Amino acid sequence: RKEVEQDPGPFNVPEGATVAFNCTYSNSASQSFFWYRQDCRKEPKLLMSVYSSGNEDGRFTAQLNRASQYISLLIRDSKLSDSATYLCVSSSGAGSYQLTFGKGTKLSVIP
Amino acid sequence: SAVISQKPSRDICQRGTSLTIQCQVDSQVTMMFWYRQQPGQSLTLIATANQGSEATYESGFVIDKFPISRPNLTFSTLTVSNMSPEDSSIYLCSVEVGTHYGYTFGSGTRLTVV
Repeated sequence: RKEVEQDPGPFNVPEGATVAFNCTYSNSASQSFFWYRQDCRKEPKLLMSVYSSGNEDGRFTAQLNRASQYISLLIRDSKLSDSATYLCVSSSGAGSYQLTFGKGTKLSVIP
Repeated sequence: SAVISQKPSRDICQRGTSLTIQCQVDSQVTMMFWYRQQPGQSLTLIATANQGSEATYESGFVIDKFPISRPNLTFSTLTVSNMSPEDSSIYLCSVEVGTHYGYTFGSGTRLTVV
């Protein structure tokens, strides 16, 4: 039973396109949510935290819907350097601090 | 955010041997986490290492196979014992940046068991 499910990839998009990733989580006790980026053969790096009110960081917008247990990431004006695997992550907090990772969605931005 | 130095970055080991992976953090942290990422898969938590107490292992992982040390608040080791080819994976350590601010990962150890 997967606790964090993501869109199956890969996503191949042209430069300048807008791309959206979706993610659902099954543990209603999850308290914190993140999007991580993982380049090939590298460690995951935090892209952004996800808040109920939604948050934006430049070309990236993250949304959280607790009622639907749904998280999204929108990337506008895609750059070649955005090519990576994007991991949806939930944290149960409450003393456990366990992160649950989605399997990731691979994005390839094409010239 | 914390900076983690993890080593070795990669190793090729014979089956039946053991490898110890080290993580050094540039600041004191209460908990350190050890993950495994098998080829084509996402990250799976192995154990949580607390300073001054036994590590807490997740289901499917046992201390005899993955002994962990946490001698102080900036350092931890994970040993992969009696290795088999199924242990070939990337192993990563991680620390929490701050509540709701996510986690930082070491650069990973790519282990191949032959």
